[in-house]
Amino acid sequence: DVKVTQSSRYLVKRTGEKVFLECVQDMDHENMFWYRQDPGLGLRLIYFSYDVKMKEKGDIPEGYSVSREKKERFSLILESASTNQTSMYLCASSLNIEWTSGRARDNEQFFGPGTRLTVL
Amino acid sequence: QKEVEQDPGPLSVPEGAIVSLNCTYSNSAFQYFMWYRQYSRKGPELLMYTYSSGNKEDGRFTAQVDKSSKYISLFIRDSQPSDSATYLCAASVVNRDDKIIFGKGTRLHILP
Repeated sequence: DVKVTQSSRYLVKRTGEKVFLECVQDMDHENMFWYRQDPGLGLRLIYFSYDVKMKEKGDIPEGYSVSREKKERFSLILESASTNQTSMYLCASSLNIEWTSGRARDNEQFFGPGTRLTVL
Repeated sequence: QKEVEQDPGPLSVPEGAIVSLNCTYSNSAFQYFMWYRQYSRKGPELLMYTYSSGNKEDGRFTAQVDKSSKYISLFIRDSQPSDSATYLCAASVVNRDDKIIFGKGTRLHILP
């Protein structure tokens, strides 16, 4: 079974703090993603990565950065947390579809349990 | 306009009823269509997927895509309280960019 784990289920930080959210997957997936999920706004893609040391901006990258030093680990960094970054953060991973038969199942994103971040 | 539109609900139906969940999309290049289910305080999990147009059935669940009208549907027969969750429709184009575009999700309550 694919397992995606996130370092914390609940996190409370203060405005201005630097926050690290860690995500680890154990299935040798090439692709990893960070989303935030807010009521009424759904899942919004923050950053994604196709490979080690590669990163691409998603739809809402402002205020965030990422790091992918190892294939299995993808970190989301809030350089200076603000109250509007209070949210549920979800990490996901998937196979690189170029290396598969192209079936939709191989594009499946596997999600972690999420980190509920509150910034006071 | 968001690429995948979905009514957020909530939708409440009695146990045993047939549930119909729907989405519309705007990008004609989408080829894969998915439904993810998300239980409270959990991450989403893939429930069903279809390629291009047509139906796909899996037990009590049927996924349907009509590319001519850009309409995605999920039907749940004999709904159970355990089906209570948020259902997210999603779509993607098969290329190097493996992003999946998600709808906002519909919260479904099955009333015992």
